[in-house]
Amino acid sequence: AQKVTQAQTEISVVEKEDVTLDCVYETRDTTYYLFWYKQPPSGELVFLIRRNSFDEQNEISGRYSWNFQKSTSSFNFTITASQVVDSAVYFCALSEAAKTGANNLFFGTGTRLTVIP
Amino acid sequence: DAGITQSPRHKVTETGTPVTLRCHQTENHRYMYWYRQDPGHGLRLIHYSYGVKDTDKGEVSDGYSVSRSKTEDFLLTLESATSSQTSVYFCAISEGTGGGTAFFGQGTRLTVV
Repeated sequence: AQKVTQAQTEISVVEKEDVTLDCVYETRDTTYYLFWYKQPPSGELVFLIRRNSFDEQNEISGRYSWNFQKSTSSFNFTITASQVVDSAVYFCALSEAAKTGANNLFFGTGTRLTVIP
Repeated sequence: DAGITQSPRHKVTETGTPVTLRCHQTENHRYMYWYRQDPGHGLRLIHYSYGVKDTDKGEVSDGYSVSRSKTEDFLLTLESATSSQTSVYFCAISEGTGGGTAFFGQGTRLTVV
């Protein structure tokens, strides 16, 4: 069965600090996909990144970076030099290759990040 | 932004009444999904569609039904609403097989009193 664990329920940091959000997943499939979404206070879900199980390269996008390690089943997300606008709930999600081709996502329970000015 | 519109955005209804939520897309994506978001649970899949008139159950499908008669519309129906169905409902769309990225609508806040 699939499972995504985000053990950090809430994190508070002071602006300009770096912060890492942890994500650990479980799956029996060899082909799977990992995602991060951001949910700001306004409530919408914003796609941040997608990774497939065959690509373990770390990715950097501006102040955001992601560390994917299959050996530890982790897909952690780091924000460098945090800003107040980064305050949001962040969700990690997993999908497996479904027979229908659909992308059924299994979400973690989210980490609420508060950046204090 | 992906062209996804959910309606209504907010609704209050009484226990036992039927409720239908609508998701409309302008992206011509094949796959559509309904999720619910509850505190402590993240988002959970209710039903999804992989084509017109092709639907299947998700993790928390009890008490819900769906229909998709056109590519652009995916309806979620609560046949007889219960207080446990008070939640925020999100529609999503994706294209491509397997790991196609899902883009979400703005959400519908449903309160069952």
